[in-house]
Amino acid sequence: AQKITQTQPGMFVQEKEAVTLDCTYDTSDQSYGLFWYKQPSSGEMIFLIYQGSYDEQNATEGRYSLNFQKARKSANLVISASQLGDSAMYFCAMLDLFSGNTPLVFGKGTRLSVIA
Amino acid sequence: GAVVSQHPSRVICKSGTSVKIECRSLDFQATTMFWYRQFPKQSLMLMATSNEGSKATYEQGVEKDKFLINHASLTLSTLTVTSAHPEDSSFYICSARDASGGTDTQYFGPGTRLTVL
Repeated sequence: AQKITQTQPGMFVQEKEAVTLDCTYDTSDQSYGLFWYKQPSSGEMIFLIYQGSYDEQNATEGRYSLNFQKARKSANLVISASQLGDSAMYFCAMLDLFSGNTPLVFGKGTRLSVIA
Repeated sequence: GAVVSQHPSRVICKSGTSVKIECRSLDFQATTMFWYRQFPKQSLMLMATSNEGSKATYEQGVEKDKFLINHASLTLSTLTVTSAHPEDSSFYICSARDASGGTDTQYFGPGTRLTVL
């Protein structure tokens, strides 16, 4: 069974600073994908970044980067130059890439608050 | 990224009525869609997996007769909450799986906030 652990229920960061949101995972699958989603107060789930288990390089998307350490089973999200609009819930999730119909497995989320 | 729409975004209904929520993948075909429920300050809870042309697969504890799911086409899945009660009030959100283009990603609709009076 797959499991995602996000140990930080809430985080604060100063505007323009960088912040790291932790995510560890547990799986016996050989091929899997790791995702980060942002959920603002409006409720929509916004896809941020994806990392495949076989990707050798860490994924980057603009101000978002994923610090993927496969041996440690961690997939931390790094947000650089934080902005007030980054305040939201952030969910780490995993997907088994071999099975076609499996859903994402989510962590409990981290609430990020960016302060001016 | 791909776009998933969900309608309605907000609905208030009386106890005992049925409510239908639509989830559409606008620019890709989705053989698989997922329905989640989210309570305040909690993570998403998977309710069911909706497969085009076949019956949905429900998670343990989710009543299939109460939460009817129909995935009639590659771009549309519907969730009907039958005989809604106040405890069904929640945020319902769907996702559609896009396996084209080499990346298997799930994109979410904007969600539907259901309030049952």
